[in-house]
Amino acid sequence: GQNIDQPTEMTATEGAIVQINCTYQTSGFNGLFWYQQHAGEAPTFLSYNVLDGLEEKGRFSSFLSRSKGYSYLLLKELQMKDSASYLCAVRSQGSNYQLIWGAGTKLIIKP
Amino acid sequence: DGGITQSPKYLFRKEGQNVTLSCEQNLNHDAMYWYRQDPGQGLRLIYYSQIVNDFQKGDIAEGYSVSREKKESFPLTVTSAQKNPTAFYLCASSPGEGGTDTQYFGPGTRLTVL
Repeated sequence: GQNIDQPTEMTATEGAIVQINCTYQTSGFNGLFWYQQHAGEAPTFLSYNVLDGLEEKGRFSSFLSRSKGYSYLLLKELQMKDSASYLCAVRSQGSNYQLIWGAGTKLIIKP
Repeated sequence: DGGITQSPKYLFRKEGQNVTLSCEQNLNHDAMYWYRQDPGQGLRLIYYSQIVNDFQKGDIAEGYSVSREKKESFPLTVTSAQKNPTAFYLCASSPGEGGTDTQYFGPGTRLTVL
């Protein structure tokens, strides 16, 4: 079957760095997405990886290893507004439009 | 401003009633999607449409129906056949280009069936 695993919840301190991991088992691979979702709101797109390596966007970076079925989202200089759920989603090969979603990681930032 | 709108934000209905959730986009996207989100679970795909007048069942289509008569609109009807309809419903759209195709979400509708 197809599966995506993420930690359920993480806690970090304002100003620190946190890494949120995502592992996947899918039938083929055609890209991985990270979204941020604040409580009660819509998910917003953060990053897309399809090749191995690190993609950096300001305070957020996303890494992919296709051979290991593994990705992480790295958040630097954490701010209180980063408290949210972070969703990992994979497009499997041949799925065209459909994404397979992880349950999300709830990140709690403490002062 | 381009975007996706969903209305209403909160919806209450009595058990046994059908209810229709609205989704409109002005991004000129070809593809549109409906997801359901329940606590502790990933987004689950209900229906998707790649082009006007065509739509496909997702993983949990039973008890739901959709139409795609216009490119901009993709309404979802939650019928009385849906056994547990209380949930957060999210509509999304994407350009439909495959590969890097990225989905963008509306603000969601929280449906509560009493």
